[in-house]
Amino acid sequence: DQQVKQNSPSLSVQEGRISILNCDYTNSMFDYFLWYKKYPAEGPTFLISISSIKDKNEDGRFTVFLNKSAKHLSLHIVPSQPGDSAVYFCAASGQELIFGTGTRLQVFP
Amino acid sequence: DADVTQTPRNRITKTGKRIMLECSQTKGHDRMYWYRQDPGLGLRLIYYSFDVKDINKGEISDGYSVSRQAQAKFSLSLESAIPNQTALYFCATRGLENTEAFFGQGTRLTVV
Repeated sequence: DQQVKQNSPSLSVQEGRISILNCDYTNSMFDYFLWYKKYPAEGPTFLISISSIKDKNEDGRFTVFLNKSAKHLSLHIVPSQPGDSAVYFCAASGQELIFGTGTRLQVFP
Repeated sequence: DADVTQTPRNRITKTGKRIMLECSQTKGHDRMYWYRQDPGLGLRLIYYSFDVKDINKGEISDGYSVSRQAQAKFSLSLESAIPNQTALYFCATRGLENTEAFFGQGTRLTVV
């Protein structure tokens, strides 16, 4: 069973609107969560993270929300830009660093 | 120069052949990881290492082995490659547990 799940394989959003990417996890021992962005033919690059002692972390247009009781986190991108089009992975950290299946975000003009 | 370097970048090999993918890093990190990426399956953890003497199996270690030759080097081997090991392989490094991991550019492996 996958410990980290991203149930939406793809998301299409108009430029300027909000993009919301979701992620669920099953292991309550995870205490640190990360979001990565990946372009084709490149390695994933770090975007933003959150510790389990927080419920929100913001960095410019990117905000990550954590709901520990629901074992759910989300990434909000506001406003969305065409350059944000990529695959986004969430990851959860305990002893291991486990990634989700990814969500392909397309931002159209 | 990249902080995390993977070689080769692309490789085509035949079924049954042994192949090694190499990863080196200049970040001075103790933790190193190997992942494979498949369409629809995301990044799955193969092996990880917290230092030269500490090697751990990940989610999908069967058919793979690793070697941590030094703090900066972590190699992944396929002892007898099979077609379903065709994938994009990524190496990553990390300093402390609750920090970001840094990825290499990836190795595209095709087993025919």
